[in-house]
Amino acid sequence: NAGVTQTPKFRVLKTGQSMTLLCAQDMNHEYMYWYRQDPGMGLRLIHYSVGEGTTAKGEVPDGYNVSRLKKQNFLLGLESAAPSQTSVYFCASSYSIGLAGGETDTQYFGPGTRLTVL
Amino acid sequence: RKEVEQDPGPFNVPEGATVAFNCTYSNSASQSFFWYRQDCRKEPKLLMSVYSSGNEDGRFTAQLNRASQYISLLIRDSKLSDSATYLCVVTNNAGNMLTFGGGTRLMVKP
Repeated sequence: NAGVTQTPKFRVLKTGQSMTLLCAQDMNHEYMYWYRQDPGMGLRLIHYSVGEGTTAKGEVPDGYNVSRLKKQNFLLGLESAAPSQTSVYFCASSYSIGLAGGETDTQYFGPGTRLTVL
Repeated sequence: RKEVEQDPGPFNVPEGATVAFNCTYSNSASQSFFWYRQDCRKEPKLLMSVYSSGNEDGRFTAQLNRASQYISLLIRDSKLSDSATYLCVVTNNAGNMLTFGGGTRLMVKP
């Protein structure tokens, strides 16, 4: 049981390049999330998904796209990378989505991807 | 006003000390409350959920005060290994997502 995995772990891009970050979970969770974490800003939600084939915008969605073609995978794409997208990206998954209260809302995180855009 | 506010610290305490963190939140309808721990350059991990009646897990005690809209985390007998950033997490204003605070950094010294 690997939990939540992310690839790649590190990446350096030049401005204007594109890339896709892959997140996979083996806990059969319906809900998946992409966050970015910057110094002094905390975790900010980029996009999330409430199930296979569905995605929704979070707090900071501009410049990113996502897809959830399979329940266990959630992809984050950067079509034209900018230096402002230099950050640590975390994927997470959960059984429920913060309505029920309690431990079913617990989010499990992947190890993160450190992205630098030059 | 931020949805979840925490004192960023750092809190520098000696081993064996008792330390407490508070976190305030703006959504009075929030139903889910958690404390997460994040080690340097690692992912956040659940430390404990916070229930209305308060709960304890070993040296850690979490309390919820709905009237004043804050949650607290008390760590007794601090260990060097407790050094980390502690993230407060609550349901967001829309009630459909969790919102993370900026974190409080704790440094336990020998």
